[in-house]
Amino acid sequence: QLQLQESGPGLVKPSETLSLTCTVSGGSIGSTDYYWGWIRQPPGKGLEWIGSIYYSGSTYYNPSLKSRVTISVDTSKNQFSLNLTSVTAADTAVYYCARRGVGAAPDYWGQGFLVTVSS
Amino acid sequence: EIVLTQSPDFQSVTPKEKVTITCRASQSIGSNLHWYQQKPDQSPKLLIRFASQSFSGVPSRFSGSGSGTDFTLTINSLETEDAATYYCHQSSSLPWTFGQGTKVEIK
Repeated sequence: QLQLQESGPGLVKPSETLSLTCTVSGGSIGSTDYYWGWIRQPPGKGLEWIGSIYYSGSTYYNPSLKSRVTISVDTSKNQFSLNLTSVTAADTAVYYCARRGVGAAPDYWGQGFLVTVSS
Repeated sequence: EIVLTQSPDFQSVTPKEKVTITCRASQSIGSNLHWYQQKPDQSPKLLIRFASQSFSGVPSRFSGSGSGTDFTLTINSLETEDAATYYCHQSSSLPWTFGQGTKVEIK
C-alpha cells in the first residue's frame, strides 16, 4: 500500500524559507506513470495546488507561487521536497504531498502537515 | 487559469436524502474533472475521476456526470458518514485548480 508522509519544521519565521520533505513508501518515486506534488490548505479554507515534479526532475509550478517555489526529487531516498522562500502569515497552511497519474487526479495523499508562519 | 465554481456552498441534508452538488468551469475542460471528499482533520479522498469514473473502494451511492463546463456529483441515499466538504478539481490545464468546496451537514 502506497504511503506518503510529510515532515519538516512546523514553525517558520516571516521572511524565512519553508522546507518540507515527503517520504514515499510502498512504491517507487521513479515510476514513469506518476507526478509527485504539493497542495496546501490554509486553516478553514480551500485547496491550492503548489506544484508537481516528475521523477526526471521536470517541474510545474502554480504561477501565483512560481517565484518563491522550488520542488526537487531524490530518487535514491524515495523522497521529494518543497522549498518556499520569503514566507508570510498568508503561507500558514496544512501542506499535503500527493501522487498523481499523468493527466489525472491526485489519488494518494499524505496526512498533511501544518506549517505556521509566525515570529 | 480555469476557475471552478461549486454550488451550493453549504447543504443541510437528512439521512437517506439525495444530494446533488454542481461544479461549473470557466472554460471547457472535457472530462478532466475529479471529485474529492474531505472530512475534518483528514486529507482529501478521491471519489470520482474523469467526471464519472468511480475510484477504487468508493461506495456506489457516489456518482458523477457531466462534460465540458458543467459537472455534477450525486450522493444517493446520504449516510451520516458522508458529512464532509466536497471539492471538484480540474486537470485539464495548468495551473490545476480546485472549486471552493461544498460543505454537507447532516440534519
